[in-house]
Amino acid sequence: EIVLTQSPTTTAASPGEKVTITCLASSSVSNMYWYQQKSGASPKLLIYSTSSLASGVPDRFSGSGSGTSYSLTINTMEAEDAATYYCQQWSSNPLTFGSGTKLEIK
Amino acid sequence: QVQLQQSGAELVKPGSSVKISCKASGYTFTSYDMHWIKQQPGNGLEWIGWIYPGNGNTKYNQKFNGKATLTADKSSSTAYMQLSSLTSEDSAVYFCARPRANWFAYWGQGTLVTVSS
Repeated sequence: EIVLTQSPTTTAASPGEKVTITCLASSSVSNMYWYQQKSGASPKLLIYSTSSLASGVPDRFSGSGSGTSYSLTINTMEAEDAATYYCQQWSSNPLTFGSGTKLEIK
Repeated sequence: QVQLQQSGAELVKPGSSVKISCKASGYTFTSYDMHWIKQQPGNGLEWIGWIYPGNGNTKYNQKFNGKATLTADKSSSTAYMQLSSLTSEDSAVYFCARPRANWFAYWGQGTLVTVSS
């Protein structure tokens, strides 16, 4: 099973600040997917195929990476971005998710 | 538009079983896998498995073999997940989700299962 380790576990950012969340895979994966989950809601797709922005997602979000190291960046933090973020891989079975990064607004 | 409507919250006793549903609309139900994902309170996401309603084929995360059984009813465009021999470790929110390639574009609203005597 491919284990996805996210860092940081928890972080806080001020409005306008840049935020980067990292996802390290225990083995190489071909692509990474990112989701945002707000309290009491279902996860929402942000980034697919490592760097493609999902429909309707603001362009302050971006994704990058390859092999075992991937990242999600929020260019300018906004209050509405406070949420928990998860990475996901399906390069091999079982499909796995990262443990999550909780992002708070300062 | 694609919608996945899940059944309501369940309170069940230890050792019993529960069957939750996910009614799909807005697309051809038999053309896409339906996945199920577990989220324990305050925890991350755990993939349970998928069913292809077109032919009933299933694939499970080995961890959930014997715990979860996935079925689908083509006539009502509804996917089901039965959880058996329930313990407190099964208390969680369960999501159905429809993939687009290797990611989940559409999610149900989640069904809370609480196992308690």
